[in-house]
Amino acid sequence: QVQLVESGGGVVQPGRSLRLSCAASGFTFSSYGMHWVRQAPGKGLEWVAVIWYDGSNKYYADSVKGRFTISRDNSKNTLYLQMNSLRAEDTAVYYCARDQEVLSPVYAFDIWGQGTMVTVSS
Amino acid sequence: QSALTQPASVSGSPGQSITISCTGTSSDVGGYNYVSWYQQHPGKAPKLMIYEVSNRPSGVPDRFSGSKSGNTASLTISGLQAEDEADYYCSSYTSSSSHVVFGGGTKLTVL
Repeated sequence: QVQLVESGGGVVQPGRSLRLSCAASGFTFSSYGMHWVRQAPGKGLEWVAVIWYDGSNKYYADSVKGRFTISRDNSKNTLYLQMNSLRAEDTAVYYCARDQEVLSPVYAFDIWGQGTMVTVSS
Repeated sequence: QSALTQPASVSGSPGQSITISCTGTSSDVGGYNYVSWYQQHPGKAPKLMIYEVSNRPSGVPDRFSGSKSGNTASLTISGLQAEDEADYYCSSYTSSSSHVVFGGGTKLTVL
């Protein structure tokens, strides 16, 4: 079945780095744009980043620009989020999500992973 | 403060209809038809309910409908059921550097 499974979350000190992974299965991963969306404890959803189906375009929320990098390996059906210079305010559940439309994103997220928790604390 | 404005809470009795509003600007909701709605039950991942203002993904009941007028989008749920009790979020593409904005979420209580 169509599935996204995140991994790589954990507890990290402020200023350190962490890399999240999202393994996709059950669909043609290389045809879809992919997103990261996060949710701080008890708070609402915040979009983090998008990468085009072929990796040709990447865009970021202002809050993570210059610190986070989204990437993908279509040969491994895997999406990544490299998070550097982490701050306490980055503490959240991080979800990977598939764009609803093939090729060019329409910014609707139709398939979500279960999420992975990132806690930034000393 | 979220970029899109939603009421913090709404409530209704089983069988009734409710509408959740989502107000933005001409740079997001008013300027594009990339408005989506998500349902989130506690401890679960969000679920796409409406995309491109008024389209329902397969499997979403037709009790859920979306619309837009100017800078405000709306989600209407008719024939409320107990399982509809959840948090609901709107989102929109935006021409600002942020690319995508969400509303702050609305807690729906089925009385």
